[in-house]
Amino acid sequence: AQRVTQPEKLLSVFKGAPVELKCNYSYSGSPELFWYVQYSRQRLQLLLRHISRESIKGFTADLNKGETSFHLKKPFAQEEDSAMYYCALKASSYKLIFGSGTRLLVRP
Amino acid sequence: GAVVSQHPSWVICKSGTSVKIECRSLDFQATTMFWYRQFPKQSLMLMATSNEGSKATYEQGVEKDKFLINHASLTLSTLTVTSAHPEDSSFYICSVLKDTGANVLTFGAGSRLTVL
Repeated sequence: AQRVTQPEKLLSVFKGAPVELKCNYSYSGSPELFWYVQYSRQRLQLLLRHISRESIKGFTADLNKGETSFHLKKPFAQEEDSAMYYCALKASSYKLIFGSGTRLLVRP
Repeated sequence: GAVVSQHPSWVICKSGTSVKIECRSLDFQATTMFWYRQFPKQSLMLMATSNEGSKATYEQGVEKDKFLINHASLTLSTLTVTSAHPEDSSFYICSVLKDTGANVLTFGAGSRLTVL
């Protein structure tokens, strides 16, 4: 079955602390994974994708096929990082399967 | 990226009425648009893929007669919730795939439907 699991509904950290948002997937083929972010009162937007192996706003995510994970990490969280984060898996053609989302709250 | 506009951003209607939500691709001719549904505190679920000039492709479990999708032009797709009931109350979000190579979706701001 194709599935994306984000086990944490809420992650609260202090400013400057490291952050790791967990994402695990279930997919029989070669996965393409994405992280989308939704800031308060804004629309969902792409944060990064594993294919490009990029770092956006200090966030990185490495695909670990052995652990079927695509955790999102940032070494030093900022208050402006507070948002809803969704991990997504490209299942077929253009279809994306989203995880349930994790709300990141960065406290001052 | 593409600019996607949804209208209305929120709507309240009486049970039994029909509601139309528009999704416009403002700067890109989109042959394909996607409609998602999001319940409170839950994930986005793909409802259907809207194809310009042809019938929409619905996901399993989505009633095509309930959620009518029309994609008559390259810049406009509409979702009509017919004979709405309170359980149809949800957040409906459309998206456009502009860069097929990158598989990156651009989302609209969403339309919140409340059925009384």
